[in-house]
Amino acid sequence: GENVEQHPSTLSVQEGDSAVIKCTYSDSASNYFPWYKQELGKRPQLIIDIRSNVGEKKDQRIAVTLNKTAKHFSLHITETQPEDSAVYFCAAQGSARQLTFGSGTQLTVLP
Amino acid sequence: KAGVTQTPRYLIKTRGQQVTLSCSPISGHRSVSWYQQTPGQGLQFLFEYFSETQRNKGNFPGRFSGRQFSNSRSEMNVSTLELGDSALYLCASSARSYSGRAVYNEQFFGPGTRLTVL
Repeated sequence: GENVEQHPSTLSVQEGDSAVIKCTYSDSASNYFPWYKQELGKRPQLIIDIRSNVGEKKDQRIAVTLNKTAKHFSLHITETQPEDSAVYFCAAQGSARQLTFGSGTQLTVLP
Repeated sequence: KAGVTQTPRYLIKTRGQQVTLSCSPISGHRSVSWYQQTPGQGLQFLFEYFSETQRNKGNFPGRFSGRQFSNSRSEMNVSTLELGDSALYLCASSARSYSGRAVYNEQFFGPGTRLTVL
């Protein structure tokens, strides 16, 4: 089955700096890669996703890149703000058409 | 559209008891997936239901079961509760989108049910 690894597990950045979270996946048939943000005590919220037929997608301060050859994808957050502090999960949809999640990254934006 | 709802939000049970959790998906969504979230294990997939049929199943013991009704609402049941079953149980509804032969499973989560087993 699909296996998704996510790094780092914790990340601290100064407000205004950029943050990058990386994930690798194992199933070469994976074709959909969403990212979720989970604030403390709340549900995971879909913030951006990318399909395997594109290499990059951007939405304001958030961007995701995908390298199918290397089987890795990354979340980039620019100009970080305190409200970006949360746990971020990557996921991959493999050949079984279900999502497999990474272990999460606790992002802390320091004021 | 109303979002995904889950009931109850909090539950306290003792070992050996059983529990039933409920999930109502977004209107029009026919797929419901269930996940167990714990601090150490992250989001672990339990099972997925589509049109009242279990389509996928994760690596959980048979004590974990589920079902889906004709209105797409889903329930999951855990029998003979163990201390290790304490977790946040999340359901997610999805409406699959298609592009040619590709299928994309965009999922939206409910608020979860916090289960504590004493």
